[in-house]
Amino acid sequence: AQTVTQSQPEMSVQEAETVTLSCTYDTSENNYYLFWYKQPPSRQMILVIRQEAYKQQNATENRFSVNFQKAAKSFSLKISDSQLGDTAMYFCAFMKPLGTDKLIFGTGTRLQVFP
Amino acid sequence: NAGVTQTPKFQVLKTGQSMTLQCAQDMNHNSMYWYRQDPGMGLRLIYYSASEGTTDKGEVPNGYNVSRLNKREFSLRLESAAPSQTSVYFCASYDRVNEKLFFGSGTQLSVL
Repeated sequence: AQTVTQSQPEMSVQEAETVTLSCTYDTSENNYYLFWYKQPPSRQMILVIRQEAYKQQNATENRFSVNFQKAAKSFSLKISDSQLGDTAMYFCAFMKPLGTDKLIFGTGTRLQVFP
Repeated sequence: NAGVTQTPKFQVLKTGQSMTLQCAQDMNHNSMYWYRQDPGMGLRLIYYSASEGTTDKGEVPNGYNVSRLNKREFSLRLESAAPSQTSVYFCASYDRVNEKLFFGSGTQLSVL
């Protein structure tokens, strides 16, 4: 069975600084997707970034980038130039595609951005 | 295009009562999910359905049943609610073509 581990329950960063959120996962699959989702206090789930396991290049979306280490089963999220609006819960997620689409989440990291 | 619609948004039950959480999506997605979110536990998968007529257990299925009678709707039933089922419940659906996940707005359930 797949598992997703986020070892940092809480993180804080000063505005304009860079912060990295950690995520590790366990799977015997070779093909899968990894996601980072943001959940602000409104409880809405917002996709931050997605990575396909077969792609060696790390995904980037504006200020958000990932460090995907397939062999180490690590998928960290780097937020550059942190903004107050980045304050939220961040969830790492693993999906086993190709018909089952089973999607599981980590326990989350609460990020607080300070002015 | 309403996306994923969950009802109700809030519900209070007494121990032993039953209820069904409704979820519908109008995007023709095959895959749908039910999660519960508890402080410090993240989102835990209760059940999921990869296609109409099929359902599979997730990480925490005990105490729940689901029904996927058609492509659009995926309901979650609590037959005999327990205080341990107090949680926020999210329904979601997955667009395989565009590889996007859509969430409902959540149901805050309290079991007294």
